Amino acid sequence: GAGVSQSPSNKVTEKGKDVELRCDPISGHTALYWYRQSLGQGLEFLIYFQGNSAPDKSGLPSDRFSAERTGGSVSTLTIQRTQQEDSAVYLCASSSSGGAFDTQYFGPGTRLTVL
Amino acid sequence: GQNIDQPTEMTATEGAIVQINCTYQTSGFNGLFWYQQHAGEAPTFLSYNVLDGLEEKGRFSSFLSRSKGYSYLLLKELQMKDSASYLCAVRDSSGSARQLTFGSGTQLTVLP
Repeated sequence: GAGVSQSPSNKVTEKGKDVELRCDPISGHTALYWYRQSLGQGLEFLIYFQGNSAPDKSGLPSDRFSAERTGGSVSTLTIQRTQQEDSAVYLCASSSSGGAFDTQYFGPGTRLTVL
Repeated sequence: GQNIDQPTEMTATEGAIVQINCTYQTSGFNGLFWYQQHAGEAPTFLSYNVLDGLEEKGRFSSFLSRSKGYSYLLLKELQMKDSASYLCAVRDSSGSARQLTFGSGTQLTVLP
């Protein structure tokens, strides 16, 4: 079966522009997570969606970052007025139910470069 | 909050055994995960420990001691393709937290 997919794989943008990153989770997975991985750093949690519950936005670094998940499936991460420090690989993961013992499966990521 | 420590780099020889250690400090604990990440690729799941002891899966084993806040990943019969970054991650048990907190990763280089 298909894994987690993300698009685009690479995005180069100019400082101040808005970007949208897309994630398609594994079919049937109700939990979806966004992480950010900066060069030489560990993965940093951004936001978590579980079914129809309100998302856990505790990891979003600023109000320039937002995410939505339509129909309980596809998710879009939006970064407004991008800054150079936003340059990183943005990884999406999904798990079957978001339970405490769930394994998260990661997509290939979107490499964002802000010039 | 959580703090996860693992060595930055390790080097080992093909065919050998290597142990990658991970220590953590967490306000709650709901499992420890190991992921493998090759350069430019997504992390892939290797193992999961929630109870103390050793979990073996082929050439890879993972150990957990909750009282010591310690885990290790053991790789046997190393192959060149095992050269990758190995990420230790802990799941918090507090509130609705389901996200994983990751260490910075251990870059393993396997030499011929």
